[in-house]
Amino acid sequence: DIVMTQSPDSLAVSLGERATITCRSSQNILQSSNNKNYLAWYQQKPGQPPNLLFYWASTRAFGVPDRFSGSGSGTDFTLAISNLQSEDVAVYYCLYYGTTYSFGQGTKLEIK
Amino acid sequence: QVQLVESGGGVVHPGGSLRLSCVASGFTFSAFGMHWVRQSPDKGLEWLTFIRYDGDEKFYADTVRGRFFVSRDNSMNTLYLRMSSLRLEDTAVYYCVKDQCRGCSSGEFFDSWGPGTLITVSS
Repeated sequence: DIVMTQSPDSLAVSLGERATITCRSSQNILQSSNNKNYLAWYQQKPGQPPNLLFYWASTRAFGVPDRFSGSGSGTDFTLAISNLQSEDVAVYYCLYYGTTYSFGQGTKLEIK
Repeated sequence: QVQLVESGGGVVHPGGSLRLSCVASGFTFSAFGMHWVRQSPDKGLEWLTFIRYDGDEKFYADTVRGRFFVSRDNSMNTLYLRMSSLRLEDTAVYYCVKDQCRGCSSGEFFDSWGPGTLITVSS
């Protein structure tokens, strides 16, 4: 089974600064037949279900501010949030959605 | 807009059974695959099962295969999860989740989630 590992487990960033979260898969999740990485990012605020941010590693979901960016390929992926706002406080998860499904353990983002 | 509303959660004894329902609206339910995903403090987010848009293909995580059974009634826009032989470690919030791929044989990523329903397995 593919294991998704996020780092760090938590981080605190000042308002207006940049936050970076990484997600590493235990196997290559780039499918050569269609050149797509089967990786999504979700944001979960307290008391709410997760909300889709990115799919295919870097395609921004509808309504997601362009302060958010997704990148990476193969086994290493990054979610970056620039100009951090108070409403970005949340737990962020990566998800592999290929032959099966596997979530990362989550990264808790707080304001410094 | 897409709405998913779960019901049926509660407290159940180990070894017991429970059925969850999820009523969907705001999209063509019969055209999309659906999932159940759960979340607990111990295990985090865990995908459980997928059912194809027509109900003819189902996939399960190893942790629930043989104990949990997914079904759907497209005439009622409703998704179900029948759970049996419940264990303490099944305690979690259970989410009904819509797949983004229309008419696909297997699932892709999740694009809409219900608010979740809490199941507590306790003696």
